[in-house]
Amino acid sequence: DAGVIQSPRHEVTEMGQEVTLRCKPISGHNSLFWYRQTMMRGLELLIYFNNNVPIDDSGMPEDRFSAKMPNASFSTLKIQPSEPRDSAVYFCASSRMPGQGNSYEQYFGPGTRLTVT
Amino acid sequence: KQEVTQIPAALSVPEGENLVLNCSFTDSAIYNLQWFRQDPGKGLTSLLLIQSSQREQTSGRLNASLDKSSGRSTLYIAASQPGDSATYLCAPLGYSTLTFGKGTMLLVSP
Repeated sequence: DAGVIQSPRHEVTEMGQEVTLRCKPISGHNSLFWYRQTMMRGLELLIYFNNNVPIDDSGMPEDRFSAKMPNASFSTLKIQPSEPRDSAVYFCASSRMPGQGNSYEQYFGPGTRLTVT
Repeated sequence: KQEVTQIPAALSVPEGENLVLNCSFTDSAIYNLQWFRQDPGKGLTSLLLIQSSQREQTSGRLNASLDKSSGRSTLYIAASQPGDSATYLCAPLGYSTLTFGKGTMLLVSP
């Protein structure tokens, strides 16, 4: 398997522009997670999906952030409008969905480094 | 809310040393705990996963232990090598969500 795929790997944009980050989870994984990493706050969960349905979006910082998962093999994280404080590395991760007392490893993509000027 | 603390924040050792990285967490109601490695500018690589029912997990020179009741985990690295230099992150898993510590930055010098 190719692992979790994210695009773009780097994004530089101007304040006020719309940014869309993309993620393809590992085939067969039905949980998908979006994280953000900054020096100040470390790694934070933004939102996660089970079977394409958003379960917990309490980590989404503001209404400017939105995420979708239209099918099992694709998810987007959109920031509109972007601000300099959104500059961070955004990671997507996937895993098998927990249940029946079992839990599974999360596998991370390479991340998208976002710079908003 | 789960809080995760990793000690030390940074560690510098000569090659060949055995070392221990510590992780503590406040909420013991976890399903498992993952240890990750992150190289500069890179993503996270899963090293070990310990289920809540397990006490230890081993992979090569790495050994992770878990004491769920006391909210502690340790990662033991035997015979460290320069290639082990990276940031090591501990993350206990609630029902579906991982909570990350700030990590231990390890430098192994030749």
